[in-house]
Amino acid sequence: AQSVTQPDIHITVSEGASLELRCNYSYGATPYLFWYVQSPGQGLQLLLKYFSGDTLVQGIKGFEAEFKRSQSSFNLRKPSVHWSDAAEYFCAVGAPNNNNDMRFGAGTRLTVKP
Amino acid sequence: EPEVTQTPSHQVTQMGQEVILRCVPISNHLYFYWYRQILGQKVEFLVSFYNNEISEKSEIFDDQFSVERPDGSNFTLKIRSTKLEDSAMYFCASNSGNYGYTFGSGTRLTVV
Repeated sequence: AQSVTQPDIHITVSEGASLELRCNYSYGATPYLFWYVQSPGQGLQLLLKYFSGDTLVQGIKGFEAEFKRSQSSFNLRKPSVHWSDAAEYFCAVGAPNNNNDMRFGAGTRLTVKP
Repeated sequence: EPEVTQTPSHQVTQMGQEVILRCVPISNHLYFYWYRQILGQKVEFLVSFYNNEISEKSEIFDDQFSVERPDGSNFTLKIRSTKLEDSAMYFCASNSGNYGYTFGSGTRLTVV
């Protein structure tokens, strides 16, 4: 079955600084890849997803992610972080022929310093 | 924008009691899921449901758990004889196919 690893449990960045959250996946073929954000006490909101095609994916709230097959990675980036970006970020992986089942990473908690 | 609705938003139950968490998926979706998130931990897959039957379940989803789609609109998760470690946020999701997931806002279950 597919799986995903988020190596960083907690990241702190200053407001206005750039951000990169790491995600590595394990799957035998090209997976479907997702990034979700969860604000405290809230549900999961989809930021962006990759199915095929252009490996650089644009999402909502100024986020982007790049699929790198050679590194089995799908890192999330944002050029300039805002205080409102403080949240938990989850990378998720899906297998195209597996009943649409999705598996989540452990999450990275983002703290934004003023 | 269609939503997945979960009720209640917060439920407190005594250890050993049965609870039913309710979800109303988006009406034309075909796949339904329950995920669990213990406080401060990752979102864990519990079960997927398609064509009126369980299509996949995790090792967490043991005999204590069951799911049902009783009336074509609701999708329920029943937890029998709750334990303290069942305390978590439970998310329902539905999917139109091709990973068009929509998540509900969750039910926080507290077992005391």
